[in-house]
Amino acid sequence: DGGITQSPKYLFRKEGQNVTLSCEQNLNHDAMYWYRQDPGQGLRLIYYSQIVNDFQKGDIAEGYSVSREKKESFPLTVTSAQKNPTAFYLCASSKHYEGGRGYTFGSGTRLTVV
Amino acid sequence: QKEVEQNSGPLSVPEGAIASLNCTYSDRGSQSFFWYRQYSGKSPELIMSIYSNGDKEDGRFTAQLNKASQYVSLLIRDSQPSDSATYLCAVSGIGGGADGLTFGKGTHLIIQP
Repeated sequence: DGGITQSPKYLFRKEGQNVTLSCEQNLNHDAMYWYRQDPGQGLRLIYYSQIVNDFQKGDIAEGYSVSREKKESFPLTVTSAQKNPTAFYLCASSKHYEGGRGYTFGSGTRLTVV
Repeated sequence: QKEVEQNSGPLSVPEGAIASLNCTYSDRGSQSFFWYRQYSGKSPELIMSIYSNGDKEDGRFTAQLNKASQYVSLLIRDSQPSDSATYLCAVSGIGGGADGLTFGKGTHLIIQP
């Protein structure tokens, strides 16, 4: 079955450490997105990519980095510059022309700073 | 800065009644509007999308859009305990969401058996 897979489900980060969250999709979707969700909050856009080797900053890109070397993969690195990284991270994908109508979300990664 | 406002709730509704969820948005250029349902600890799932003024019905769900007043609503008829979740309103610009969506904080809905 086609879908979008995020790993790991839970991740613990020490102060000053970079960590990378994985997002892989086999839906042949063009666009991929990373969102962050804090408790009691909506989703906020971190980065998005509409085609391979291209990506754009979202509303809260500071302290994060991404790459899009393959259509299927859009990993997110949370760097030590991100001062408050504890949150629920959601990856989504869609066909380019479907936008929000066609979002498929992964199951999320819960990141905690220890 | 685009903003989407929702009453965080909780909104408590008896089983079998109609649940009414509301959302307002700040950007008059917004073109596409979505309602997502999110169970605790899970990822959001799309339940309704609406693009033009008026009502759109899908089963027990009805989305209503009024661009002049900049509000979107979601009605859930014959509410079931399984409808208990957080409902997120999301809007997009001309791209229809291809460049990302702006989400509200969500309304926590509780259906009382």
